[in-house]
Amino acid sequence: TQLLEQSPQFLSIQEGENLTVYCNSSSVFSSLQWYRQEPGEGPVLLVTVVTGGEVKKLKRLTFQFGDARKDSSLHITAAQPGDTGLYLCAAKKTSYDKVIFGPGTSLSVIP
Amino acid sequence: SAVISQKPSRDICQRGTSLTIQCQVDSQVTMMFWYRQQPGQSLTLIATANQGSEATYESGFVIDKFPISRPNLTFSTLTVSNMSPEDSSIYLCSVEEPGQTTYEQYFGPGTRLTVT
Repeated sequence: TQLLEQSPQFLSIQEGENLTVYCNSSSVFSSLQWYRQEPGEGPVLLVTVVTGGEVKKLKRLTFQFGDARKDSSLHITAAQPGDTGLYLCAAKKTSYDKVIFGPGTSLSVIP
Repeated sequence: SAVISQKPSRDICQRGTSLTIQCQVDSQVTMMFWYRQQPGQSLTLIATANQGSEATYESGFVIDKFPISRPNLTFSTLTVSNMSPEDSSIYLCSVEEPGQTTYEQYFGPGTRLTVT
């Protein structure tokens, strides 16, 4: 059983569209990270959220941590081909635990 | 954040042989990790590389198959032994560093291994 679920698994959209991907769990986490992995590269850390309800923005990307710290969303505005990649959420139950990774959302933005 | 490099970036190996992957970090770090990412999959933790002691392996991974060295705080190696095609994966080195509010993990570029 996956401790972290991500949806959708695959997403293909046209350049300029908006999209939201989700990371869900029945567990409460002390912190949650979002990574983007481009083909042939390692995952790159985008953001860390630690407070329930927290919202962080990174240019066209908006990240939200659920009030109960069990879920998170990543919203991309006006997607560009450079946003193409595998988006991974990762979380820890406590600061002493190992990081758990979700299965990922594969995003393809078509020019 | 730490800059992490891995060698080789990719390799094609024959079954039954072994490959050693190197991970170099540009700063001293306490926690180093090795992950495997099979095609189209997420990351699976192989082991935590401990400086000065044996690595700590996750369920399903054993030292005989994946021996790890950690001679100092900036370097580690992972060996994939007696390879089979099922070992074809991306192998990623990772380090943990303090962020603004909690510890964060950073990854190397990965080593893409193909076993024929």
